[in-house]
Amino acid sequence: GENVEQHPSTLSVQEGDSAVIKCTYSDSASNYFPWYKQELGKRPQLIIDIRSNVGEKKDQRIAVTLNKTAKHFSLHITETQPEDSAVYFCAASNQAGTALIFGKGTTLSVSS
Amino acid sequence: GAVVSQHPSRVICKSGTSVKIECRSLDFQATTMFWYRQFPKKSLMLMATSNEGSKATYEQGVEKDKFLINHASLTLSTLTVTSAHPEDSSFYICSAKDRIGEKLFFGSGTQLSVL
Repeated sequence: GENVEQHPSTLSVQEGDSAVIKCTYSDSASNYFPWYKQELGKRPQLIIDIRSNVGEKKDQRIAVTLNKTAKHFSLHITETQPEDSAVYFCAASNQAGTALIFGKGTTLSVSS
Repeated sequence: GAVVSQHPSRVICKSGTSVKIECRSLDFQATTMFWYRQFPKKSLMLMATSNEGSKATYEQGVEKDKFLINHASLTLSTLTVTSAHPEDSSFYICSAKDRIGEKLFFGSGTQLSVL
């Protein structure tokens, strides 16, 4: 089955800096890669996603890149703000209707 | 996005009792729902896939007799933790994919504490 590895487990940055979180996946059939943000005690919220037919996607300060050959994808957050502090999870799935398999999460701390 | 409602948000029970958690898709029909479990500061671990009108598919290591899943309608799936023990204490969260079947939306989660 699919296995998703995520790094780093913790990341501390200064406000205004960029943050990068990286994930690798094992199943070459995976074709959908979302990123979720989870604040303490709350449900994960989808922040951006990318499909395997696209190499990069951007939404304001958030971008995701995908390298299918290397089987890794990354989340980039620019101009970080304290409210970006949360746990971020990457995930992968290989077809519509199947479950997402999650990475172990990255705790991002943005200090002002 | 799709709205998934989950109840209760928090439950405290005595060891040996059973607890039922409900997950509803409010604005769409979900033929498939997914149940995850999350320990503090840990990732979301898939427990089972709930299919409307058929038996749930459990992940390896998840006891089907312990965690009973029923998906009786296109908008409701329930997870019953039977004979709960302190080690079952965890954050349980359901999810469903939208109509296209790709984006996953989560319920608000249930924090279960077994005394």
